[in-house]
Amino acid sequence: GAVVSQHPSRVICKSGTSVKIECRSLDFQATTMFWYRQFPKQSLMLMATSNEGSKATYEQGVEKDKFLINHASLTLSTLTVTSAHPEDSSFYICSARGGQVYGYTFGSGTRLTVV
Amino acid sequence: AQTVTQSQPEMSVQEAETVTLSCTYDTSESNYYLFWYKQPPSRQMILVIRQEAYKQQNATENRFSVNFQKAAKSFSLKISDSQLGDTAMYFCAFAGGGADGLTFGKGTHLIIQP
Repeated sequence: GAVVSQHPSRVICKSGTSVKIECRSLDFQATTMFWYRQFPKQSLMLMATSNEGSKATYEQGVEKDKFLINHASLTLSTLTVTSAHPEDSSFYICSARGGQVYGYTFGSGTRLTVV
Repeated sequence: AQTVTQSQPEMSVQEAETVTLSCTYDTSESNYYLFWYKQPPSRQMILVIRQEAYKQQNATENRFSVNFQKAAKSFSLKISDSQLGDTAMYFCAFAGGGADGLTFGKGTHLIIQP
């Protein structure tokens, strides 16, 4: 079946630094990838949609200069949290479309803690 | 914009019982897809079941089935013969017919008691 690998699973960074999260589709070409954010005991909120080779589309209220998304190939999308602050601490999950008829395959998530 | 509402923050049933999780949604689109996802403590999102809006027949996957009422915009999940491993957060989700991301409900924490 379709597999999406997300790394790192956990990261702790200092306030003001940047962190990159990778999302790879291992056995299919992901034409579209999505990035979600999940606060503790809350639901997933869509942050942005990225299509291979084009600029990401951000949801309302998401700062595109803070959350940089790159989808340079059909198997890799990255989310970079720039100048991270404690309020950026959250669980980030990627999801890819492709590999099955109208399916969404999720990565295992990244727990980001900014100290 | 579409919305997804799950009105049951938490439910608890005994093992082997049947439980139904409710979900309603609002959309102006005619072509869309509905999903139920399970999120165990590992936080990995696991697809439970999917329903295409154009299909009248309710989707089923082993012990999991849905009651899809398109006119009422209702999409409930029934879990039969519940098992301890079914304990998790369950999210109802909506996707439009285009290249949309998912819109999730707030989730229902399902607890299966031994």
